[in-house]
Amino acid sequence: QSVLTQPPSASGTPGQRVTISCSGSSSNIGSNAVNWYQKLPGTAPKLLIYSNNQRPSGVPDRFSGSRSGTSASLAISGLQSEDEADYHCATWDDSLNGHVVFGGGTKLTVL
Amino acid sequence: QVQLQESGPGLVKPSETLSLTCEVSGYSISSAFHWGWIRQPPGRGLEWIGSVHHSGSTYYSPSLKTRVTLSPDTSKNHFSLKLTSVTAADTAVYYCARVSQVGATRVFDYWGQGTLVTVSS
Repeated sequence: QSVLTQPPSASGTPGQRVTISCSGSSSNIGSNAVNWYQKLPGTAPKLLIYSNNQRPSGVPDRFSGSRSGTSASLAISGLQSEDEADYHCATWDDSLNGHVVFGGGTKLTVL
Repeated sequence: QVQLQESGPGLVKPSETLSLTCEVSGYSISSAFHWGWIRQPPGRGLEWIGSVHHSGSTYYSPSLKTRVTLSPDTSKNHFSLKLTSVTAADTAVYYCARVSQVGATRVFDYWGQGTLVTVSS
């Protein structure tokens, strides 16, 4: 299984705010910044949030991230149908010589 | 615009070697950055395989390091993945990506579209 733990699924209705969690340990999330990737069906993953809470150019401010201790969260406000996708958290693990670790991904359904 | 494109056989027999190439356009791999491979088995999350620098330095996932070799070819502006002794568990969509340092973190900022590799006899 994945080093980082995410809920397998999440859902919300249009306009709602949803949160996706990502849990790790002191050697990964507790020590390193967390990044989030959005994977739409049939497309490559796209960088959504980096350094815990920074948005790349072009990412709507409806998307926000946070990190506290050994956990991180992705929040999506004003949910839209096009937000239906898989969301993956990622960071680097100091106990694995700084190698990348991912969460198992959360499938977000917009009802 | 940086673009990456994976290529290679879509079907590999068990115990054989999986070989994929990632063609990079819009950027010279010899300029900077590490270049990585990530895979996603059916119904599962993303898994980092490893990264390679144009100088040849490599970083491999501990779980795969005995079977993986990544190598750059700066003359062709591509980098390659070889995974030996494959089993059905290696069936996945394989992505290549560029690794960028952004502030205090590293991100995969450009990705290929991915290629499905099935391990089956």
